[in-house]
Amino acid sequence: GQQVMQIPQYQHVQEGEDFTTYCNSSTTLSNIQWYKQRPGGHPVFLIQLVKSGEVKKQKRLTFQFGEAKKNSSLHITATQTTDVGTYFCAGPVTGGGNKLTFGTGTQLKVEL
Amino acid sequence: NAGVTQTPKFQVLKTGQSMTLQCAQDMNHEYMSWYRQDPGMGLRLIHYSVGAGITDQGEVPNGYNVSRSTTEDFPLRLLSAAPSQTSVYFCASRTGQGYGYTFGSGTRLTVV
Repeated sequence: GQQVMQIPQYQHVQEGEDFTTYCNSSTTLSNIQWYKQRPGGHPVFLIQLVKSGEVKKQKRLTFQFGEAKKNSSLHITATQTTDVGTYFCAGPVTGGGNKLTFGTGTQLKVEL
Repeated sequence: NAGVTQTPKFQVLKTGQSMTLQCAQDMNHEYMSWYRQDPGMGLRLIHYSVGAGITDQGEVPNGYNVSRSTTEDFPLRLLSAAPSQTSVYFCASRTGQGYGYTFGSGTRLTVV
């Protein structure tokens, strides 16, 4: 079945360092979404990418969709303690209508 | 707008008991889904709905039932609780296929 994997599973950084998480799908995706979940909280939608090679920015966050639409990345520049949480990518299930499958997530910890 | 409201927030069940997790949204969203979140396994889709009267199975539907009699409500029923159903359950809704999900705050369920 379709799989959406994320690496790394965990990442510890010092405040001010950059951070990147990668999302890889076993099948081509029509679009990809990114979510952030703070510790003890619920996932919050960040952004959706649709076009091949698309790059979108939200302040210090840069999202990229691969040319083949099978991978994506989220890059955070100069991390802050407010960036702590787990970042998930999610894509539609191939042939699954409107189902959305989530990646395994990358847990980010930021140390002062 | 309250968004997506889940009740209860916490629940302890004995093995074999049944219960219903409630989910209501006031955003007139057509699409609603139930996910469970277990450590290291991300979010897994249980059931979803694309409108009143329409439901379908997700990745892990066994042991759960849903119904969608109104646009607003999407309850999840546990038929006979098992320890393997100990998890955090999230309900989510969205306008349509090309939009991000709004998640509820979750129900933390423990089955003993």
